[in-house]
Amino acid sequence: GDSVTQMEGPVTLSEEAFLTINCTYTATGYPSLFWYVQYPGEGLQLLLKATKADDKGSNKGFEATYRKETTSFHLEKGSVQVSDSAVYFCALTPTGGGNKLTFGTGTQLKVEL
Amino acid sequence: DADVTQTPRNRITKTGKRIMLECSQTKGHDRMYWYRQDPGLGLRLIYYSFDVKDINKGEISDGYSVSRQAQAKFSLSLESAIPNQTALYFCATSDFRDRDDNEQFFGPGTRLTVL
Repeated sequence: GDSVTQMEGPVTLSEEAFLTINCTYTATGYPSLFWYVQYPGEGLQLLLKATKADDKGSNKGFEATYRKETTSFHLEKGSVQVSDSAVYFCALTPTGGGNKLTFGTGTQLKVEL
Repeated sequence: DADVTQTPRNRITKTGKRIMLECSQTKGHDRMYWYRQDPGLGLRLIYYSFDVKDINKGEISDGYSVSRQAQAKFSLSLESAIPNQTALYFCATSDFRDRDDNEQFFGPGTRLTVL
């Protein structure tokens, strides 16, 4: 079945450091790929998405590129802030999957001054 | 006011009790979902509903049931709670546009503890 694998956390960075959170997936066809973010005490919210190979999703300084050849969708940000501290989830919806999401296990990011 | 609300926000109960978690939305979306979140496991889909008359099992439906009372309301029940159902439960909604990339909107979650 479909699955999403994320790098384990927690990840601790200093403010202004470069961030990469790795995400790879297993799915047939051409799934849509997402990054959701969960701030402390809140529900998840969509950060960015990409729907086809080589698409780049971006939002709030975060970027991720849909790489079909490596089945990856790594999240990057050039300069993190303390306010980026949260749990980040990679997820996919399979082709024709009716918008049902399969999530990775989540990666906790902590940014320190 | 929040678009997706969940009640209660926190609940402690005992093994064997029946529990209902409620979700309401004002977004006008047709599709609603229930997930549970466990440390190290991410979110897993329990049930989903594409409209009032269409309810489907998700990845981990055993021990749970749902009711879609109206377009805006989707309840999750634990008929006889057990300790391994202790988790954070999320309701989510999405719009129907016959696409696979629709954003899902999540409620704030219900933290359930079964003793």
